[in-house]
Amino acid sequence: EPEVTQTPSHQVTQMGQEVILRCVPISNHLYFYWYRQILGQKVEFLVSFYNNEISEKSEIFDDQFSVERPDGSNFTLKIRSTKLEDSAMYFCASSERGQDTEAFFGQGTRLTVV
Amino acid sequence: AQSVAQPEDQVNVAEGNPLTVKCTYSVSGNPYLFWYVQYPNRGLQFLLKYITGDNLVKGSYGFEAEFNKSQTSFHLKKPSALVSDSALYFCAVRRPNTDKLIFGTGTRLQVFP
Repeated sequence: EPEVTQTPSHQVTQMGQEVILRCVPISNHLYFYWYRQILGQKVEFLVSFYNNEISEKSEIFDDQFSVERPDGSNFTLKIRSTKLEDSAMYFCASSERGQDTEAFFGQGTRLTVV
Repeated sequence: AQSVAQPEDQVNVAEGNPLTVKCTYSVSGNPYLFWYVQYPNRGLQFLLKYITGDNLVKGSYGFEAEFNKSQTSFHLKKPSALVSDSALYFCAVRRPNTDKLIFGTGTRLQVFP
């Protein structure tokens, strides 16, 4: 069964450093997403990406964040100058279409900023 | 504000008994409704969705959910619980013409032998 894969599973970084979280969405999917879950809190939407551009973003997704689909398979989330409060589980997801189709999630990358 | 409520942090059920995990939402329009399950150290797995049509939808692993428009609820149900159903369950809602899933806080289901 096709699945969304994320690397690494766990990343520890120092405050102020840049991190890139990587995802390989399901191959025939057209919509890509990043969500995050701070420990003990809700899963929160960060951004959606369609047709090589950001489709929608939340207020969390400020200039510190960027997304890219550098080739035909990978989808990345870059966090410039990480802060302690960026520590969270980051989930990548993809869906065949938007809106009425279900998103398939990866297993997550746990980011710890120290 | 758009929100999803899962009023129970934890639901305990004996194996073989029916289970219900509750979800209500406060979202404008006619949203799309989803249930996901999360096992330890795993991502969110899709269980089922309601888009339109019959209020009772069936999904994976014997789960079903009932949409009630007047009560703005979408409760997850299973007629006979298994110990292996023990996991964290999330209700999520998406407004039409948006990409964003709005998640509830999650309900931990514990099924006892």
